[in-house]
Amino acid sequence: NAGVTQTPKFQVLKTGQSMTLQCAQDMNHEYMSWYRQDPGMGLRLIHYSVGAGITDQGEVPNGYNVSRSTTEDFPLRLLSAAPSQTSVYFCASSYSSGGSYNSPLHFGNGTRLTVT
Amino acid sequence: LAKTTQPISMDSYEGQEVNITCSHNNIATNDYITWYQQFPSQGPRFIIQGYKTKVTNEVASLFIPADRKSSTLSLPRVSLSDTAVYYCLVAQMDSSYKLIFGSGTRLLVRP
Repeated sequence: NAGVTQTPKFQVLKTGQSMTLQCAQDMNHEYMSWYRQDPGMGLRLIHYSVGAGITDQGEVPNGYNVSRSTTEDFPLRLLSAAPSQTSVYFCASSYSSGGSYNSPLHFGNGTRLTVT
Repeated sequence: LAKTTQPISMDSYEGQEVNITCSHNNIATNDYITWYQQFPSQGPRFIIQGYKTKVTNEVASLFIPADRKSSTLSLPRVSLSDTAVYYCLVAQMDSSYKLIFGSGTRLLVRP
């Protein structure tokens, strides 16, 4: 049981480039989400999904796209990278039961992204 | 929406008990209160969760008063390895299912 797996661990992009951060979980969790964490700051919700085919915006969605074609995968796409997107990105998942999303989140180890 | 408020930082010494309080005045009836711990360069990890009264596990206790507008994470006899950021999370279970973290409390344990 690998839990939540994020790839890559590190990435450097030039301004204007696009890329996809991968997130996969093997716990059959319905709820998945992406957070970004800037140095010395808290976690900010980018996008989240309550199940395959369903996504919604979080606190800071601009510049990012997501899709959820399977229960296991929740990739985050940067459309045109900007220096302001330099951050550590965490993917998380949790079990949901009957529409309740109170189950604890399981986090990946993060992707450290630098945009120059 | 159940916004949470925590102290920005706390200092303690090894062997002491540490209590971190989180305020969540607008908590909804169905919301649980969950605490996470985060070390540098790692994702947060679950510590404890509760709905009301007291919950205890092998690492911490969680105290929730009857009105549920606040909660207190209690770490008994802290060690240097408990130095971390602690977040309380109350699910914002309106129609949007957003799980939004507060700013967290940075705990420094001194020798």
